[in-house]
Amino acid sequence: QVQLVQSGAEVKQPGASVKVSCKVSGYSFRDYFIHWVRQAPGQGPEWMGWMNPKNGDTNYAQKFQGWVTMTRDTSISTAYMEVGRLSPDDTAVYYCARGPNGYYFDYWGQGALVTVSS
Amino acid sequence: QSVLTQPPSVSGAPGQRVTISCTGSSSNIGAGYGVHWYKQLPGTAPKLLIYGNNIRPSGVPDRFSGSKSGTSASLAITGLQAEDEADYYCQSYDNSLSVRYVFGTGTKVTVL
Repeated sequence: QVQLVQSGAEVKQPGASVKVSCKVSGYSFRDYFIHWVRQAPGQGPEWMGWMNPKNGDTNYAQKFQGWVTMTRDTSISTAYMEVGRLSPDDTAVYYCARGPNGYYFDYWGQGALVTVSS
Repeated sequence: QSVLTQPPSVSGAPGQRVTISCTGSSSNIGAGYGVHWYKQLPGTAPKLLIYGNNIRPSGVPDRFSGSKSGTSASLAITGLQAEDEADYYCQSYDNSLSVRYVFGTGTKVTVL
């Protein structure tokens, strides 16, 4: 079955960076985009961007351009998302999600809580 | 900031029917892009409930149905059950924003 398994919770200080991983199984990693979505406490989901595992192409929401980087390692079917220059406003659960054709997300990782606090 | 507007909450007794609206604009729902719905239980990831306006993934009960008209969409839950109590989000694509994939404001469904 399709699974996306993310790395664990992190606590970071303001100004630091964090890298979250998303290991997929149950399908061919190269065949579907990986999207990253974050959800701040008590808020709705917010789309951050997508990465094409086939060639590494990326597309970021404008507010994340310049401080979010999405990469992948096809040899281990794993996607990564790094957020730099963290501030307390970046405290959120970060999800990876699979994106089939049709502009939606059919499978999600379990989420990784990133807490930014001094 | 959410681009799609949903009512903050809806409620119903077990067995009743409830509907959740999702209002967008001419650059997303009104532009012909599909509307998708997710159910989220506390502390868990969103789960796809409806895609392409009205298609249920395998395993989703037929008590859940979606529709779309103009710049709005709706999710209907019939035969409300206790396990339906959750947050529900609509989602679509927007061709005018830098945030291309947009979510609704979210609706809390309470089973009385």
